[in-house]
Amino acid sequence: NAGVMQNPRHLVRRRGQEARLRCSPMKGHSHVYWYRQLPEEGLKFMVYLQKENIIDESGMPKERFSAEFPKEGPSILRIQQVVRGDSAAYFCASSAGKRDTEAFFGQGTRLTVV
Amino acid sequence: KQEVTQIPAALSVPEGENLVLNCSFTDSAIYNLQWFRQDPGKGLTSLLLIQSSQREQTSGRLNASLDKSSGRSTLYIAASQPGDSATYLCAVSPGWREGAQKLVFGQGTRLTINP
Repeated sequence: NAGVMQNPRHLVRRRGQEARLRCSPMKGHSHVYWYRQLPEEGLKFMVYLQKENIIDESGMPKERFSAEFPKEGPSILRIQQVVRGDSAAYFCASSAGKRDTEAFFGQGTRLTVV
Repeated sequence: KQEVTQIPAALSVPEGENLVLNCSFTDSAIYNLQWFRQDPGKGLTSLLLIQSSQREQTSGRLNASLDKSSGRSTLYIAASQPGDSATYLCAVSPGWREGAQKLVFGQGTRLTINP
């Protein structure tokens, strides 16, 4: 079991470009959570998805950010027209069900906006 | 709105010492509380999970306690080693209905163990 896989590990974008971050959950997991960690801060919840559904996006910025988890393939966190303040580490976690308490996190994608 | 606070923000101790990291949360209605370890540039490793009905959990040299009524948890590390140097994060889960992995994290305690 390869665990939760995130790619790329590091991503550099110029201001105004788009960033696409991918998260492949553990085998058998159909629930994905995305978190953002700004420099020197703790992780903040962004969005919770189940296959083909957004369950809770209460932590997502209202503009430029979107997420999806298609029936096939990884979950994608998309940031349009990136700004310097988007520079952060983005982590995803997966679980098999809504009640699962054991947390499996990916290694994160470190986004740098120049 | 649940808020999680960790004290101290940073801690540096000599190797071999026993130490305590503190975590407090504002809403006692939690599903569980977890302690994680984060190494620089790396992901999160789950260390201990305490269900809301439990008082403590132990794994090797680590012991975590939970006092829901007072909104506090402590992580006790015995006989610290340089390899324990990392950032330790405390996180609470408000409930399974919202998704058990919708966690609220503290800002972490950066621990340095000096040889």
